[in-house]
Amino acid sequence: KAGVTQTPRYLIKTRGQQVTLSCSPISGHRSVSWYQQTPGQGLQFLFEYFSETQRNKGNFPGRFSGRQFSNSRSEMNVSTLELGDSALYLCASSAGSTSTDTQYFGPGTRLTVL
Amino acid sequence: AQKVTQAQTEISVVEKEDVTLDCVYETRDTTYYLFWYKQPPSGELVFLIRRNSFDEQNEISGRYSWNFQKSTSSFNFTITASQVVDSAVYFCALTQRGSASKIIFGSGTRLSIRP
Repeated sequence: KAGVTQTPRYLIKTRGQQVTLSCSPISGHRSVSWYQQTPGQGLQFLFEYFSETQRNKGNFPGRFSGRQFSNSRSEMNVSTLELGDSALYLCASSAGSTSTDTQYFGPGTRLTVL
Repeated sequence: AQKVTQAQTEISVVEKEDVTLDCVYETRDTTYYLFWYKQPPSGELVFLIRRNSFDEQNEISGRYSWNFQKSTSSFNFTITASQVVDSAVYFCALTQRGSASKIIFGSGTRLSIRP
């Protein structure tokens, strides 16, 4: 079974631009979560989507948004990029049918904002 | 509030030594889940184990073993006969019932195994 895939793997943007990251979950998984990893703040939860609806949200500004499609693929968008948005963005998927499902992570997208 | 503390920032041992990674957690919930993930240099978080708050049985999987003690709020991870391939950052994490997607991660322990 293929794992979680994320595209692109690396991205360089400049301040003020916007960016869209993509995540394809493990086949059959309906929940997709996004995390931001930085050296200073560590791993932080951004949001979770289940059946095309945002089910859970972390403490990030409204510049960070996401969506999920009917095939469970998810996209994350960051508008008006700031230098502090440079990070590794990790996507995780789980079956999602219960609140106890284990999440499996993708390889991440490394975003650099110049 | 929920919190996971991994006091060991970095550990370096020689191959074949045993090494224990410490994890202490805080939560007011009676139902919660604890995890260990491994992050090799490639960046992907690899799931290692999940333990629920009602199961204090220790677990062994090959060279890996986990010691869960509710009395001390600890969930420690031991690698026996370490190998160079074990070099990675290891994260301990916590979720609560009803919010399994919102994982609270510790700051991670960077483990280096020297040949």
